[in-house]
Order: sequence, then structure tokens, then C-alpha cells
Amino acid sequence: AQSVTQLGSHVSVSEGALVLLRCNYSSSVPPYLFWYVQYPNQGLQLLLKYTSAATLVKGINGFEAEFKKSETSFHLTKPSAHMSDAAEYFCAVSAPGTSGNTGKLIFGQGTTLQVKP
Amino acid sequence: DTAVSQTPKYLVTQMGNDKSIKCEQNLGHDTMYWYKQDSKKFLKIMFSYNNKELIINETVPNRFSPKSPDKAHLNLHINSLELGDSAVYFCASGGTDTQYFGPGTRLTVL
Repeated sequence: AQSVTQLGSHVSVSEGALVLLRCNYSSSVPPYLFWYVQYPNQGLQLLLKYTSAATLVKGINGFEAEFKKSETSFHLTKPSAHMSDAAEYFCAVSAPGTSGNTGKLIFGQGTTLQVKP
Repeated sequence: DTAVSQTPKYLVTQMGNDKSIKCEQNLGHDTMYWYKQDSKKFLKIMFSYNNKELIINETVPNRFSPKSPDKAHLNLHINSLELGDSAVYFCASGGTDTQYFGPGTRLTVL
């Protein structure tokens, strides 16, 4: 079975500061991992994904994440926050190696990122 | 062109009514999904269809019935709506390595 835990339901940073959103996963098979962003009253947009290639993954809008198997983590970072980054961020896992896998995503609880001027 | 579209965007209805949400994707994917986002923003898979065949049916009340007339469309019909059905419903298409989400349908049951 797979699960995702996002540490911190709310993160607040100043504009220009480092953004760090934490995600830990549990999976009985090598996982695929994703970060999605949701702006108010909108759908989910894929930021980046890890699908067993390079462990450091670069995404859109300057975000990146590093897959660390030993720590079962997939934390999302951005060197310098922008006001437009304020949104809800979701980490998700799927289990491509499982029998009958259908790609269903298991989501974390979400983290609200607030960016202060 | 919108990759994954849903209609309607907002749906307000009375308890006990029956309603449907439609989803269409033009990405050529074989697999489509329905997810529910509750008032605390928690997202959970409900159903998945692969090429018109139901392959995931999570523990969802049987008042919810998905239907896929073809692989580009996945509709969600809900009978006898209850207050607890109020949520945002997202359609998605894709597969194991990427899923693209629609804009969501906000359902409010009064």
C-alpha cells in the first residue's frame, strides 16, 4: 500500500526566500512521485514528477524536487519565492510496479504556501 | 484547446436530486479518473476507466455511477444527493506516469 505525508499544512515565507515543502512517502514498490499545484478555484497542475530516472527533478516555475530513497522523501524546493507561488501544493504517489496498477494517485493532505511581501 | 474539460463548473442542487457531471479529454489517453476533493482539500480517487472498462472502484456509495461511452468521455452520475456529497469533483486522464486534471466541478447540495 502507498501513502503520503506532507509535513506542515501551512508554510509562510517572505518574497525572495527559499521555499521548502516537505513530502514523505510509503510504498511497497518503487514509486512514482508527483507534485501538483492548485491555485484558488482551479484544477491541479503538474509541477514535476519522479519516474525512476534522475533523482533530482526540475519542474515548471523554478521548482525542483529530489527523490531520496533512504529518507523516503520527495521535498519540493524553490530558491526564491514569488508572490504568484501562493497556492496549495499536493504531493502524490503512484505504484507502477504493482499488479493491476492503474496509475491511481494517492495524495498527501496538501500544504498551503503563503508568500508575504 | 482544453486538454481535460468538465461541465458544469458549478452545480447547486437540493438533497435527493439526481445530477450528472461530464468530462471529456482530447489527449488520446486510454485511462480516465474521477477524484473527490472534500472541504479540507483532501483528494481521493473514486473511479478509473480504461478504454471504457471500469478498473478502479474505491469504496464509493453505489449512488455514484460512472459511465464511459467512449475512451474520451467519462461521466459521473449521482443519485439521491446528500449533504455530504458537497465537494469538488475532478476528472483526470493519463496513466501511471502523468495525469492531467480538469478544472473541477464544485457541487453544493442544499
